Amino acid sequence: DQQVKQNSPSLSVQEGRISILNCDYTNSMFDYFLWYKKYPAEGPTFLISISSIKDKNEDGRFTVFLNKSAKHLSLHIVPSQPGDSAVYFCAALDAGGTSYGKLTFGQGTILTVHP
Amino acid sequence: DTGVSQDPRHKITKRGQNVTFRCDPISEHNRLYWYRQTLGQGPEFLTYFQNEAQLEKSRLLSDRFSAERPKGSFSTLEIQRTEQGDSAMYLCASSLSGQGEDGYTFGSGTRLTVV
Repeated sequence: DQQVKQNSPSLSVQEGRISILNCDYTNSMFDYFLWYKKYPAEGPTFLISISSIKDKNEDGRFTVFLNKSAKHLSLHIVPSQPGDSAVYFCAALDAGGTSYGKLTFGQGTILTVHP
Repeated sequence: DTGVSQDPRHKITKRGQNVTFRCDPISEHNRLYWYRQTLGQGPEFLTYFQNEAQLEKSRLLSDRFSAERPKGSFSTLEIQRTEQGDSAMYLCASSLSGQGEDGYTFGSGTRLTVV
């Protein structure tokens, strides 16, 4: 049962334009949602998170939007840069109960930003 | 602090051999997680420690897998009688609060190849 889904395996964007990466989830108990960036042969690097009680969080070029009714979130990168080319993972966290804060990840989206 | 360190970075082993990986978390982080990532998938949760106590194990963790965190500092993950299906990237992450806002810091991972 895939509780966090990233349905687009890849995305190609021109430098300077907006990149929009999407993520859907099924578990309404998730408290936080996080986005990670991963280069080959490295571990995931934390980018930005959003609490389930908010609908938007912004950090520099990165903005995450959360639509709880649709169980959908998206990461916007503006403007996109070639250095943003990587695999992006959406992850969700159930901070309460017996979940012990473990993250549930989507399958990832490969972002390629062309110069 | 240099972040989360994992050793070795790469391990090639013959089927049936035992392997052990080490993770050194960020020193003030009391929570430590092990994840496994296979090609084309997001990281999957394996096990979780709070200080020295192992509080949760995924059903992905067969009885050939064992993890320890003596004294609540570094952790080791051992795989006995390795199988080709164990080939994956093994990731360690640490966290202070288990909440989403601190992002969970991942190490660079150990790439295991079973031949």
